[in-house]
Amino acid sequence: QVQLVESGGGVVQPGKSLRLSCAASGFRFSSDGMHWVRQAPGKGLEWVAVIWYDGSKKYYGDSVKGRFTISRDNAKNTLDLQMNSLRVEDTAVYYCVRGRGYGEYIDWGQGTLVTVSS
Amino acid sequence: QSALTQPPSASGSLGQSVTISCTGTSSDVGGYKYVSWYQQHPGKAPKFILFEVTKRPTGVPDRFSGSKSGNTAYLTVSGLQAEDEADYYCSSYADTNNFVFGTGTKVTVL
Repeated sequence: QVQLVESGGGVVQPGKSLRLSCAASGFRFSSDGMHWVRQAPGKGLEWVAVIWYDGSKKYYGDSVKGRFTISRDNAKNTLDLQMNSLRVEDTAVYYCVRGRGYGEYIDWGQGTLVTVSS
Repeated sequence: QSALTQPPSASGSLGQSVTISCTGTSSDVGGYKYVSWYQQHPGKAPKFILFEVTKRPTGVPDRFSGSKSGNTAYLTVSGLQAEDEADYYCSSYADTNNFVFGTGTKVTVL
């Protein structure tokens, strides 16, 4: 079965950096686009970024553009999110999500909590 | 990209139906067939329940159905069961490789 396991979350000060990772298994990772979606405590879902199946295209939400970088390693079945210049408002659970088509989020990880606080 | 607008809450009795709206613009919901819906129970990851407005992934009961009119999409849950009590989110593809979620609706089963 599909498994997506995020890691790398924790507490970080504003302005600092953090790198999230997602280990994928149970499907052909190199064939699917992958997203990061986040959810602030008690709030709704927010799309963060997408990377094409082959890594050739990457797109970002307005709130993270220029600060976050999505990447993947198809040989290792891993997805990463490099988060720089973190802000208090980046505090959220970050989900690694398998995508299909145009914005179909078909499988979700359990999420990893990022807390940005001084 | 602004979030799609959903009512904060909706409710229905056991066995009855509830319909949730998801309003966007011609740049997202109104402009594409790529509207999907997600169910989220407290403390859990969201679950994919509808795609391309009306289609159900394998394993999702046919009690869940979708439609769209203009810039508004709808999710209807028929024959409400206790386990349907959850938060529901719509999502849409938007112009120039953007993706947007709805604000979320908490469904209560009375």
